[in-house]
Amino acid sequence: DAKTTQPNSMESNEEEPVHLPCNHSTISGTDYIHWYRQLPSQGPEYVIHGLTSNVNNRMASLAIAEDRKSSTLILHRATLRDAAVYYCILMDSSYKLIFGSGTRLLVRP
Amino acid sequence: EPEVTQTPSHQVTQMGQEVILRCVPISNHLYFYWYRQILGQKVEFLVSFYNNEISEKSEIFDDQFSVERPDGSNFTLKIRSTKLEDSAMYFCASRGVGLNTEAFFGQGTRLTVV
Repeated sequence: DAKTTQPNSMESNEEEPVHLPCNHSTISGTDYIHWYRQLPSQGPEYVIHGLTSNVNNRMASLAIAEDRKSSTLILHRATLRDAAVYYCILMDSSYKLIFGSGTRLLVRP
Repeated sequence: EPEVTQTPSHQVTQMGQEVILRCVPISNHLYFYWYRQILGQKVEFLVSFYNNEISEKSEIFDDQFSVERPDGSNFTLKIRSTKLEDSAMYFCASRGVGLNTEAFFGQGTRLTVV
């Protein structure tokens, strides 16, 4: 069901920026790009979302390609607490989130 | 910050028994969801609920499952006759209206069927 493609895992050093890529080549014009993460033993947690323009919030930035076929979640300074599985999900008019396998982010101290 | 709360945090039940998992969504939200996650696997969509009725359900959500919003604040998931394979984390989520809104998830109920 997932219409996005993400790497299975990525590693980062603490205090360094992390760029998590996502491909969504079949995105339609009204689909929003959502990112969630799941820390160990917790429920999914909202990170950020956008439609066409790049977005920033207190947790992260979202860079969306001009053709919207890909996006990148940017964590500006990774901390150990950011170790989680990150999910890139397209929200369409069905109003439901379909989770794929996501990217497992490992943060090295 | 508003949050979705789920009770109980852990439920152990015998196979064949009925269980009810409870959720209190964020008060002004109108869309409600149940998801499950079997240990080590993906988060799976079960059902979405809007305007007091199911708007969509997955293949997993068979006749053994039902949802209800009994009193305008709680949102429940009932499993009529639990099976061993129903053992999983169950997450409730809610969101406001429109595609430009995020979903908030509860911390989950761990259901163990023995």
